[in-house]
Amino acid sequence: QVQLQQSGPGLVNPSQTLSLTCDISGDSVSSNSAAWNWIRQSPSRGLEWLGRTYFRSKWYNEYAISVKSRIAINADTSKNQLSLHLNSVTPEDTATYYCARDPGEGATTWSHYFDPWGQGTLVTVSS
Amino acid sequence: SYVLTQPPSVSVAPGQTARITCGGNNIATKSVHWYQQKPGQAPVLVVHDDSDRPAGIPERFSGSNSGDTATLTISRVEAGDEADYYCQLWDSIVDLWVFGGGTSLAVL
Repeated sequence: QVQLQQSGPGLVNPSQTLSLTCDISGDSVSSNSAAWNWIRQSPSRGLEWLGRTYFRSKWYNEYAISVKSRIAINADTSKNQLSLHLNSVTPEDTATYYCARDPGEGATTWSHYFDPWGQGTLVTVSS
Repeated sequence: SYVLTQPPSVSVAPGQTARITCGGNNIATKSVHWYQQKPGQAPVLVVHDDSDRPAGIPERFSGSNSGDTATLTISRVEAGDEADYYCQLWDSIVDLWVFGGGTSLAVL
């Protein structure tokens, strides 16, 4: 059974960097079929996909255009963990952030859905 | 980008059938996925690829997709089904994962 456990601060100052981690159990961050995603949820923006990382002989990253200039998603294979870094945050980045797995259906086929999700981390951007 | 439209709320009596719709332009050409989210919890996948159920999801949950509307159907509704439900798909044109605005299911 795959489980995702998130950690990170719940309060970030404006203009600073939001950093979260997601510990993976029951699967590998370097899986040849899965992709590892970050998604956020806020009352104003609803559920919003932010980006993903996956390994297919090398690491790939894909980001939503809305945050592409400010985001980095990394994998740490020694800890079986992925991380999210979102810089230059503003109050509009206040949201609950989730990590989630796209299980994939092989090395070249995506599921395009998310299962499972981490428990979520409410991050407030405020001074 | 692609827009998914859901009714804000649906109400149903226990034991009845709830139908939650997700509208989109020619949505039948895309694979639609559904999530259940209870207060304070993360979303849980209940239907994927229009009508497939993940392991552990009751048979009472089913999905369909035709024309401009995808539908999540919950049969024999129970009090524990009260939650927000979201539809989602992948927009291949812009390579973006899109979510509907969510429907709050009330069990009267």
